[in-house]
Amino acid sequence: GESVGLHLPTLSVQEGDNSIINCAYSNSASDYFIWYKQESGKGPQFIIDIRSNMDKRQGQRVTVLLNKTVKHLSLQIAATQPGDSAVYFCPENRGSQGNLIFGKGTKLSVKP
Amino acid sequence: EPEVTQTPSHQVTQMGQEVILRCVPISNHLYFYWYRQILGQKVEFLVSFYNNEISEKSEIFDDQFSVERPDGSNFTLKIRSTKLEDSAMYFCASRGNTGELFFGEGSRLTVL
Repeated sequence: GESVGLHLPTLSVQEGDNSIINCAYSNSASDYFIWYKQESGKGPQFIIDIRSNMDKRQGQRVTVLLNKTVKHLSLQIAATQPGDSAVYFCPENRGSQGNLIFGKGTKLSVKP
Repeated sequence: EPEVTQTPSHQVTQMGQEVILRCVPISNHLYFYWYRQILGQKVEFLVSFYNNEISEKSEIFDDQFSVERPDGSNFTLKIRSTKLEDSAMYFCASRGNTGELFFGEGSRLTVL
């Protein structure tokens, strides 16, 4: 069946270090992938997306890598800052209306 | 930058009362969604809405729930007779022609 899984429920990094958050997906027909972050008490916030015809996409301080062979996504955050502390999600894109199905997420804690 | 706005930010109600949560999606978006997040749990899909009708709903979205787009700007979620377990953050989201959903900051519902 379809599922969204995250390798690590928590990740703690030192300020200034790079962070890597991993995500596995099971639906090999997926052609669009999104990363969101959710800060405490706030709504999910779009970070970056990637389509299945790409294997890498860069944004400001963030890079998403897609490995379709092993159905794996990763989000790399360069020079992690305290403001990056949040729960990160790679929700499954499901349905013709673009419904997103969220997993538990990975909690990123940045130590000063 | 355009954003999804939700009101109220916090509502406290008695069990059995009706509640209406309001959302103003981004103006040129056509797809609308409601999600909820019980404290400490994951973000759960409730319903998607397109072309003035429900396009998909989850098993959570039972007969107690309804959605409406009463005019060209508002999108509402009504809970007919609230239960204790309806206490949660409710997030509205909207989407244009690209894949990402834009979420509001949420409405916290507390049922006593």
